Amino acid sequence: GDSVTQMEGPVTLSEEAFLTINCTYTATGYPSLFWYVQYPGEGLQLLLKATKADDKGSNKGFEATYRKETTSFHLEKGSVQVSDSAVYFCALSGYSGAGSYQLTFGKGTKLSVIP
Amino acid sequence: DADVTQTPRNRITKTGKRIMLECSQTKGHDRMYWYRQDPGLGLRLIYYSFDVKDINKGEISDGYSVSRQAQAKFSLSLESAIPNQTALYFCATSDGQAANYGYTFGSGTRLTVV
Repeated sequence: GDSVTQMEGPVTLSEEAFLTINCTYTATGYPSLFWYVQYPGEGLQLLLKATKADDKGSNKGFEATYRKETTSFHLEKGSVQVSDSAVYFCALSGYSGAGSYQLTFGKGTKLSVIP
Repeated sequence: DADVTQTPRNRITKTGKRIMLECSQTKGHDRMYWYRQDPGLGLRLIYYSFDVKDINKGEISDGYSVSRQAQAKFSLSLESAIPNQTALYFCATSDGQAANYGYTFGSGTRLTVV
């Protein structure tokens, strides 16, 4: 079945450091790929997405590129802020039959940014 | 008002008690999901429903039941709560375009079983 593997955390960075959170996936067909963010005490929010190979999703300074050849969708940000401290989830949308799609999530990576 | 509302936000209950978590949405989505989040385990799907007459088990449905009272309402019940059901529970919704737009999540219910 479909699966998503993310780098384990926690990740601790200083403010203005470069961020990479690795995500690889296994799926049949051509899934859409997502990054969700969960701020403390809140639910998951969609951060960015890409629906086909070579697409780049971007939002709030974060970027991720859909790489079909390496089955990856790594999240990057050039300069993190304290407000980026959160848990980040990589997810894919896979076909589950009868015209339906469901999301499969990675286990999440906790990011802490210190001043 | 939030698109997906979960009640209660926090709940402490005793072992053996029956408890219901409620979810309502204003998105107009036909598909609703219940997930449980545990540290280090990510999100695990408990139940999902594609419309009012459709209920499906997820990967960890044992000990849980659900009811889809209307298109906008999907409740999760723990018939006899046990301590290892202590977790953060999320409701989510999607339309038929989940492949493109993903899910919309509620803010979660933190459940503690003592």
